[in-house]
Amino acid sequence: DVKVTQSSRYLVKRTGEKVFLECVQDMDHENMFWYRQDPGLGLRLIYFSYDVKMKEKGDIPEGYSVSREKKERFSLILESASTNQTSMYLCASSFTTAGARRTEQYFGPGTRLTVT
Amino acid sequence: AQSVSQHNHHVILSEAASLELGCNYSYGGTVNLFWYVQYPGQHLQLLLKYFSGDPLVKGIKGFEAEFIKSKFSFNLRKPSVQWSDTAEYFCASYNTNAGKSTFGDGTTLTVKP
Repeated sequence: DVKVTQSSRYLVKRTGEKVFLECVQDMDHENMFWYRQDPGLGLRLIYFSYDVKMKEKGDIPEGYSVSREKKERFSLILESASTNQTSMYLCASSFTTAGARRTEQYFGPGTRLTVT
Repeated sequence: AQSVSQHNHHVILSEAASLELGCNYSYGGTVNLFWYVQYPGQHLQLLLKYFSGDPLVKGIKGFEAEFIKSKFSFNLRKPSVQWSDTAEYFCASYNTNAGKSTFGDGTTLTVKP
């Protein structure tokens, strides 16, 4: 079974702090994603990566950055946390088939971040 | 921009009722389509997917979905729901040109015993 783990289930930070959310997958997937999940808004893509040291902006990248130094690890960074970044953060991974099709995503348990 | 629209935010059914959750996507090119489910307190997981071929796809736990290209739709169905189907359901499309997925807002299904 694919396993996607996230470093924390719950996190409380203060406004202005730098926050690191870590995600690790154990299935050698090429593709990794960060989403935030808010009630009534579904999942919104923050950043994604299709290879080591590669990153692409998603739909809501403002206030976030990412790092992918190793294939299995994808970090989300909140440079200066703000209260409107209070949310559930989900990491996901997927692989690319021989026909260059990216498959379904496998999700981690999520990190519920509260910024006070 | 690519978008996915789910018709209902909250659906309440009694056990044994039939279910249909609507999903429409906006992109006219090649898309891969998915339904994911999130049971209370659990990870998001895949219910079913459509890439090509037979437009009627079957997933886990008796769910199925039909891809209708002319209507840009991918509705989820189950003939008889159970209390254990209570969950949030997300439709998603993957745009092969843009290289990213878009999720709908989700539909919360409550099944009353």
